[in-house]
Amino acid sequence: GAVVSQHPSRVICKSGTSVKIECRSLDFQATTMFWYRQFPKQSLMLMATSNEGSKATYEQGVEKDKFLINHASLTLSTLTVTSAHPEDSSFYICSAPRGASGSYNEQFFGPGTRLTVL
Amino acid sequence: LAKTTQPISMDSYEGQEVNITCSHNNIATNDYITWYQQFPSQGPRFIIQGYKTKVTNEVASLFIPADRKSSTLSLPRVSLSDTAVYYCLAAGRRALTFGSGTRLQVQP
Repeated sequence: GAVVSQHPSRVICKSGTSVKIECRSLDFQATTMFWYRQFPKQSLMLMATSNEGSKATYEQGVEKDKFLINHASLTLSTLTVTSAHPEDSSFYICSAPRGASGSYNEQFFGPGTRLTVL
Repeated sequence: LAKTTQPISMDSYEGQEVNITCSHNNIATNDYITWYQQFPSQGPRFIIQGYKTKVTNEVASLFIPADRKSSTLSLPRVSLSDTAVYYCLAAGRRALTFGSGTRLQVQP
């Protein structure tokens, strides 16, 4: 099956610093990727939709200036958590749909990135 | 947006068949029903997907009645390694919205 990778798998940073998380589709091109956040014992919450060549669209309540998304190529999307604080500590997961344009039925998820802000 | 409802948790024993039912009363005509499995600290893993009737693959079966307002994931002969959270989603041309999922605990 299709593979989506994330880097790093885990990161620990100090409060106030910025952290970049990469999401790559390894064997297919993805004009759209999605970023989710998951807190312990909770479900995945969609944060934003990353669009190649255009601005990302953010879900209500997600600060676009804090969570910067760049979809630099058809296989790479990055999420930068700026000025991270302890409450940003979470499990961040990306996904990429593969299939007909606009079809999100077949999505592949990355392994996730565990962010811990001290 | 088709909201899904699943049991919060289920318990089973090794070797048993587990059926997890999901309701999606407001499913749209273009939506597919997809089930994912998630282990702790890992991304969700695709299990099975269907539109209507029955779909079977090497790991599970998916039963969808004609009205498509519900679906049932069937896991045959579960093992300890099937302990995970299972998510049912009804989605089409938009991002996936995850419900609470069903936490399946398989005991020896």
